[in-house]
Amino acid sequence: DIVMTQSPDSLAVSLGERATINCKSSQSVLYSPNNKNYLAWYQQRPGQPPKLLLYWASTRESGVPDRFSGSGSGTDFTLTISSLQAEDVAVYYCQQYYSTRTYTFGQGTRLEIK
Amino acid sequence: QVQLQESGPGLVKPSQTLSLTCTVSGGSISSSDYYWSWIRRLPGQGLEWIANIYYSGSTFYNPSLKSRVTISVDTSKNQFSLRMDSVTAADTAVYYCARTMTGSFDIWGQGTLVTVSS
Repeated sequence: DIVMTQSPDSLAVSLGERATINCKSSQSVLYSPNNKNYLAWYQQRPGQPPKLLLYWASTRESGVPDRFSGSGSGTDFTLTISSLQAEDVAVYYCQQYYSTRTYTFGQGTRLEIK
Repeated sequence: QVQLQESGPGLVKPSQTLSLTCTVSGGSISSSDYYWSWIRRLPGQGLEWIANIYYSGSTFYNPSLKSRVTISVDTSKNQFSLRMDSVTAADTAVYYCARTMTGSFDIWGQGTLVTVSS
């Protein structure tokens, strides 16, 4: 299985500041024939189901604010929130869908307001 | 818009069978574009994908759970279901149904807490 490891486990950032969450996969999730990274990011607020933020590592889902962005390729990826808002307090997960044998998620990163 | 809703018992005894149903509204489960999935969030842990099913009945299972899990679809009711046998306390989790086209999950149900306890 592809193991997804996020860092840090928790993060506290001041309102209006940048938040950065990292995700590393145990093997590449870049599919060379189409040059796509099979990597998604989710936000889970308390009491809510996960919400898809980004897919193909950097494509924003419809309705997601543009302060959320994704970068990286191969095995190393980053989710960036450019200017933290109060409603961004949540747990964030990365997920690989390169291996259709089993999809796997990172352990989650808890984001709080400093 | 498409919505998903899980239903089923919130309490299951150890060694018994967990059964959940996901009802799809606002769209057809028979769409050729999508797979339908079960995912769970274990206490204090992250998310674990359980299984996918296509409207035709094609299935894909997490190898670590495959021996105990069955996913099925009922297109006449616009529902799909999860059955997990021989549950233990380790199966206590919030269970979500979700939709996927390429492997990322774009629509999720609200989730249902299933507790395994005698």
